[in-house]
Amino acid sequence: DTGVSQDPRHKITKRGQNVTFRCDPISEHNRLYWYRQTLGQGPEFLTYFQNEAQLEKSRLLSDRFSAERPKGSFSTLEIQRTEQGDSAMYLCASSPRFPPQETQYFGPGTRLLVL
Amino acid sequence: KNQVEQSPQSLIILEGKNCTLQCNYTVSPFSNLRWYKQDTGRGPVSLTIMTFSENTKSNGRYTATLDADTKQSSLHITASQLSDSASYICVVSFSGGGADGLTFGKGTHLIIQP
Repeated sequence: DTGVSQDPRHKITKRGQNVTFRCDPISEHNRLYWYRQTLGQGPEFLTYFQNEAQLEKSRLLSDRFSAERPKGSFSTLEIQRTEQGDSAMYLCASSPRFPPQETQYFGPGTRLLVL
Repeated sequence: KNQVEQSPQSLIILEGKNCTLQCNYTVSPFSNLRWYKQDTGRGPVSLTIMTFSENTKSNGRYTATLDADTKQSSLHITASQLSDSASYICVVSFSGGGADGLTFGKGTHLIIQP
């Protein structure tokens, strides 16, 4: 499968724990995005990488959130000291050129439940 | 503030019927508009993308229209199938907006009944 993959697909954790999600973009795509989506809402932008450089961060991204893309390939999103409000679907997307010209290809998402 | 409003919020139709979903936006300056299909528990999948100069685009049984003057778009689904049950999300981007320049609607939740 040459699409965007995310791991794990589901994560249940207790409040206060740290969690880390991984995203593997389509191999020739140099742009990678993280979004958060809650039930009944559209995706909300979190952060964006071009190769290994993190170029944009949303104000939604508190200091408990950190994202990396160390070699310009896969990316990780870590949430420290999770809160119940962090429960959501975390989507990763990649694209070969900067939007808005190119379509983003989304992964299946990681569904996080914080108890 | 850039906004994308979709209607209806949810829709139930019988298999084989047609339906039209609406998207109104206030994004400016406009660059392009996309429709995505999102199955439950999955990531969105692109259906169509239209720039300012395009007023219609088709993808199989899906036809999107765009009126950039009134800032409205519609997605028409012909001869609906059970597999069309999903959320349909309208996404509008504005020029120079960067990666955060994509404004997502909340989606229309479509249910096709046999």
